[in-house]
Amino acid sequence: KAGVTQTPRYLIKTRGQQVTLSCSPISGHRSVSWYQQTPGQGLQFLFEYFSETQRNKGNFPGRFSGRQFSNSRSEMNVSTLELGDSALYLCASSPNFGGSNTGELFFGEGSRLTVL
Amino acid sequence: AQSVTQLDSHVSVSEGTPVLLRCNYSSSYSPSLFWYVQHPNKGLQLLLKYTSAATLVKGINGFEAEFKKSETSFHLTKPSAHMSDAAEYFCVVSDRPGGGADGLTFGKGTHLIIQP
Repeated sequence: KAGVTQTPRYLIKTRGQQVTLSCSPISGHRSVSWYQQTPGQGLQFLFEYFSETQRNKGNFPGRFSGRQFSNSRSEMNVSTLELGDSALYLCASSPNFGGSNTGELFFGEGSRLTVL
Repeated sequence: AQSVTQLDSHVSVSEGTPVLLRCNYSSSYSPSLFWYVQHPNKGLQLLLKYTSAATLVKGINGFEAEFKKSETSFHLTKPSAHMSDAAEYFCVVSDRPGGGADGLTFGKGTHLIIQP
């Protein structure tokens, strides 16, 4: 079974631009959550989608948004990029909403965003 | 509110010697606790989980952890370190059964270095 796939793996943008990251979950998984990982702040929760609906959102500005499609694939978008948005963005999938509490989180390898 | 503290940001051991990665947590309810591992340029992988069953939990790759309620600790151990164990390790707590991914709190991580 293929794992969680994130694209692109690496990208460089300049301040003010926008970026879209993609996440394909494990086949059959319906929940997708996104995280920002930085050396200073560690792993921070961005949002979670289940059945095409955003179920919860972390403490990030409105520049961060996402969506989920009917095939469970998810995208996240960051608009008006700032230097501080440079990070590794991780996506995780789970069979069901609430699967996180049973440890059923399967992570992709991440998309490393550098903002210049 | 829940929290998790990984007591060491870096741990260095020699190959073949025991590994101890320390984690303390704070939770208002009966928590679920997890250890995840992240190898360089990879996503996180679940090592083991505690969900109120046996207090000594065995995971993959020879790791185990013991839940000690009186000490609010969930330390990760391995009897003999291998070079392939070099990675970042995250202790994670959840006290919202059936909740979403926003119910997880990640520690800041412990970087494990294995000396040859």
